[in-house]
Amino acid sequence: KQEVTQIPAALSVPEGENLVLNCSFTDSAIYNLQWFRQDPGKGLTSLLLIQSSQREQTSGRLNASLDKSSGRSTLYIAASQPGDSATYLCAVSSSGGSNYKLTFGKGTLLTVNP
Amino acid sequence: DTEVTQTPKHLVMGMTNKKSLKCEQHMGHRAMYWYKQKAKKPPELMFVYSYEKLSINESVPSRFSPECPNSSLLNLHLHALQPEDSALYLCASSLPRDTLSTEAFFGQGTRLTVV
Repeated sequence: KQEVTQIPAALSVPEGENLVLNCSFTDSAIYNLQWFRQDPGKGLTSLLLIQSSQREQTSGRLNASLDKSSGRSTLYIAASQPGDSATYLCAVSSSGGSNYKLTFGKGTLLTVNP
Repeated sequence: DTEVTQTPKHLVMGMTNKKSLKCEQHMGHRAMYWYKQKAKKPPELMFVYSYEKLSINESVPSRFSPECPNSSLLNLHLHALQPEDSALYLCASSLPRDTLSTEAFFGQGTRLTVV
């Protein structure tokens, strides 16, 4: 059974700092990995999708990397802003049986202080 | 348009009521999902529809009944719910697995309270 772990559970940084969020998964047979952002009481906003054959993806100040063999992904946020404050969720799509199933980590609650 | 629209945004229902949650997307996605999210927890998969057919049911109680009437719509029918079913219900959609990208897009959710 796939398990996804995110570290740290919470992170508080001053504005302008660069930061890294970590995600690990137990079964390396994944189809893709997706990073989401969730504001309190809201839905999920897709940030980056990395296919299993890719090593990284970039979008603006965000960069996500994937090391499938070691079961790890990182989300790098450059020059953080107060508007980046949210919960960040990592989810993996397993490539076996349940083709469409996303398994989520518990998330990292990020607070960026002005 | 990468939008998944869920209605209603908020719903309060009694334990004897019957209600439905609705989800709509016009991205041509043929995989649609229902997730349940409790406070401070990650989303948990409930159902997956692939090409309008139920492909995954994560042992969800029968008081939750999904329906996919066409490729753009997904419903979740609710009946005889319990207070512990109160949660944020999220709908998502994606292209099927045998395409280049299976990026999942989520709606804003329906906040359900069972009284």
